[in-house]
Amino acid sequence: KNEVEQSPQNLTAQEGEFITINCSYSVGISALHWLQQHPGGGIVSLFMLSSGKKKHGRLIATINIQEKHSSLHITASHPRDSAVYICAVYSSGSRLTFGEGTQLTVNP
Amino acid sequence: DTAVSQTPKYLVTQMGNDKSIKCEQNLGHDTMYWYKQDSKKFLKIMFSYNNKELIINETVPNRFSPKSPDKAHLNLHINSLELGDSAVYFCASSQDWAAETQYFGPGTRLLVL
Repeated sequence: KNEVEQSPQNLTAQEGEFITINCSYSVGISALHWLQQHPGGGIVSLFMLSSGKKKHGRLIATINIQEKHSSLHITASHPRDSAVYICAVYSSGSRLTFGEGTQLTVNP
Repeated sequence: DTAVSQTPKYLVTQMGNDKSIKCEQNLGHDTMYWYKQDSKKFLKIMFSYNNKELIINETVPNRFSPKSPDKAHLNLHINSLELGDSAVYFCASSQDWAAETQYFGPGTRLLVL
């Protein structure tokens, strides 16, 4: 079993919908990282968080350290949000472990 | 103006060859990384260097050898390439090794025939 589990694996939504992607992990962590991988393959760092909540535009990331869970929310989703969203956790110093990603497709 | 650049972008080679992938960052960051993304799109960290010193060396065959001539460069040399080495290799950098935002290069698509 992977130390970092994401759900769902695939998600299809209609434009304008509120989207939630979940990430659960089984190890102690110092921080959690959300990444976005575009259809062309490029990877962008979205958030790095170790507690609470962060917001950037229509994206919101939350983390609950006690429950070992993080969520990435997208409000008013748009077709350009279609991408793979990847959760990664820092544990044991600087070790970085990735989830398998969530493929999001937003239809117009 | 590219923050993290990799060369080449595509690499097609025969089994058994030796090849190198270069990575350069112009962000003034101290830490650089190499990741491998397999055919199932699963990312795994391979190496991390901080100030030219190796700090992460995950379970990677000895055929893979990273080299950091200076803080701005982290190259990946692969000896005796195997079919299973076919993947996309991403370089990244961050200000420091301690859980900072990472900036990714565009990736190098390696195909071993």
